Amino acid sequence: GEDVEQSLFLSVREGDSSVINCTYTDSSSTYLYWYKQEPGAGLQLLTYIFSNMDMKQDQRLTVLLNKKDKHLSLRIADTQTGDSAIYFCASRIKAAGNKLTFGGGTRVLVKP
Amino acid sequence: DVKVTQSSRYLVKRTGEKVFLECVQDMDHENMFWYRQDPGLGLRLIYFSYDVKMKEKGDIPEGYSVSREKKERFSLILESASTNQTSMYLCASSKWTGQGAGEQFFGPGTRLTVL
Repeated sequence: GEDVEQSLFLSVREGDSSVINCTYTDSSSTYLYWYKQEPGAGLQLLTYIFSNMDMKQDQRLTVLLNKKDKHLSLRIADTQTGDSAIYFCASRIKAAGNKLTFGGGTRVLVKP
Repeated sequence: DVKVTQSSRYLVKRTGEKVFLECVQDMDHENMFWYRQDPGLGLRLIYFSYDVKMKEKGDIPEGYSVSREKKERFSLILESASTNQTSMYLCASSKWTGQGAGEQFFGPGTRLTVL
């Protein structure tokens, strides 16, 4: 089955750019997603990208997809203290139908 | 705005009790999901449902059951709670995946402690 991996932790200074990385194993991924989880809360969908796209930009967020390397990244420009959270990437593959496979999450700490 | 609500934010139960966690969505979504989230293990799928009265096992269904009598409501049942079921439980819903990206929308979570 699909396996999605993320690094555990990222520390960044306020105002800098953050880049959160994710790798997946199944080349039949159709959609890839980024979610944000603030302390004690559920997951909030940030953005998603269809597998036939290389890049998607939405205000401060840029998603890059490298299908050859099965690598997904989320760049947050001008990182703010409110961006401190856990970020999850997730993948949907055709064979899994409605199900998503989530990575373990990357905890982002923004220092003033 | 999609809204997914869960019946409790925090719940404390005793070992052996029967526990009901309720989830309601207001966007007429076909699919509903229950996950548990534990430190270092990410999100693990317990059960999901793609229609009323339909259910499918996820990756860790043991010790759990589910009920979906109405489209908007999906219940997770712990038949006899055990301490290893202490966790954060997250409910999610999504449209049928033939109609777009199939992104899932999450509730706020229920933190369950079993003593």
